[in-house]
Amino acid sequence: AQSVTQLGSHVSVSEGALVLLRCNYSSSVPPYLFWYVQYPNQGLQLLLKYTSAATLVKGINGFEAEFKKSETSFHLTKPSAHMSDAAEYFCAVSQTSYGKLTFGQGTILTVHP
Amino acid sequence: DAGVIQSPRHEVTEMGQEVTLRCKPISGHDYLFWYRQTMMRGLELLIYFNNNVPIDDSGMPEDRFSAKMPNASFSTLKIQPSEPRDSAVYFCASSLTPDRGYGYTFGSGTRLTVV
Repeated sequence: AQSVTQLGSHVSVSEGALVLLRCNYSSSVPPYLFWYVQYPNQGLQLLLKYTSAATLVKGINGFEAEFKKSETSFHLTKPSAHMSDAAEYFCAVSQTSYGKLTFGQGTILTVHP
Repeated sequence: DAGVIQSPRHEVTEMGQEVTLRCKPISGHDYLFWYRQTMMRGLELLIYFNNNVPIDDSGMPEDRFSAKMPNASFSTLKIQPSEPRDSAVYFCASSLTPDRGYGYTFGSGTRLTVV
């Protein structure tokens, strides 16, 4: 069985500050890990994915995430927050890069001017 | 490609009525997924298909829910009879194997309200 825990249902940062969204996973097999972003009343958009090629993964909009097997973590970061980053972010785990996803509960990111 | 297309975008129905949600996956994708998003339960997988065959329907809440995929370009999720607790956003997604680049794509969702 696989599961994902996102620490912090709400994160608030100032514009220009570091964004750190935490994700820990549990998986009995080598995992595939994903971060998705959801803007209000929209679908889910892929930010980045980890598929065992490299532990530091760069995604769209300046986001990146680092896979740490020893910590079973896949935290999402962005050096400088922008107002347009305000959204809900979901971490997800899968046994493959194309199969069913198990999602975390989501983290709402608020960016203050 | 137009992406994964879901219809309708919004659906309001009365309790007890039948509701049908529709999904057109990306052409060539061989996996199709139905997810449900609620405040209480977050995003959860209901059912998924591979080459039009249901593989795992363990997430389907109860017998009131059914899903079909009659061909590679169309799937439906039906709720009969609908109940207020079915109110949620329902997402369809499709993906491609073997992995030739990342093809896992979500539709824009159908917001269902049962009154």
